[in-house]
Amino acid sequence: QKEVEQDPGPLSVPEGAIVSLNCTYSNSAFQYFMWYRQYSRKGPELLMYTYSSGNKEDGRFTAQVDKSSKYISLFIRDSQPSDSATYLCATVDQAGTALIFGKGTTLSVSS
Amino acid sequence: DAGITQSPRHKVTETGTPVTLRCHQTENHRYMYWYRQDPGHGLRLIHYSYGVKDTDKGEVSDGYSVSRSKTEDFLLTLESATSSQTSVYFCAISEKGADHEKLFFGSGTQLSVL
Repeated sequence: QKEVEQDPGPLSVPEGAIVSLNCTYSNSAFQYFMWYRQYSRKGPELLMYTYSSGNKEDGRFTAQVDKSSKYISLFIRDSQPSDSATYLCATVDQAGTALIFGKGTTLSVSS
Repeated sequence: DAGITQSPRHKVTETGTPVTLRCHQTENHRYMYWYRQDPGHGLRLIHYSYGVKDTDKGEVSDGYSVSRSKTEDFLLTLESATSSQTSVYFCAISEKGADHEKLFFGSGTQLSVL
């Protein structure tokens, strides 16, 4: 079992929709969780960073961690065509040295 | 953008030839990483460095070696390239390590092994 599982999609939504992206992880010792966004032919860039359980909000984006079910979510409100990208969830390995990524979910928002 | 430059941006090579990819940073960050990205697998760690001459293996290190003789440069070498190493390679940097802060990624190197 891969340590971080993510449905690759693709996911297509109309502009203005609420988008929910999800990941599960296997190791209960993981504490730091991130969402990276990657545009076509570019490197990933950090979107959201959370520690332990709970919600974190930044504009139209909300990251949620449920440690009891080992579930990570990213919600995008009022989605825009500019949100079209691949979204990767990630956590930090137990040694604290590197990131472990999910496979990424490709999102397309149509105007 | 973080000062990360990967070279070359694209490379086509033949099976069995050696290939070296370069990552250069101007941020003076301690940690540097090499990831590969493949459809159906996402980003997977190849090797990383936590200082000059200090390196360690990642999840998919077989067939790859690295060197870091200066803070700013991290080289990834494929000793004898195989078709399974066709991929997009990303370099990333971090000042304090992945558990303290975000990683900054370069723009990637598209490598095709024929």
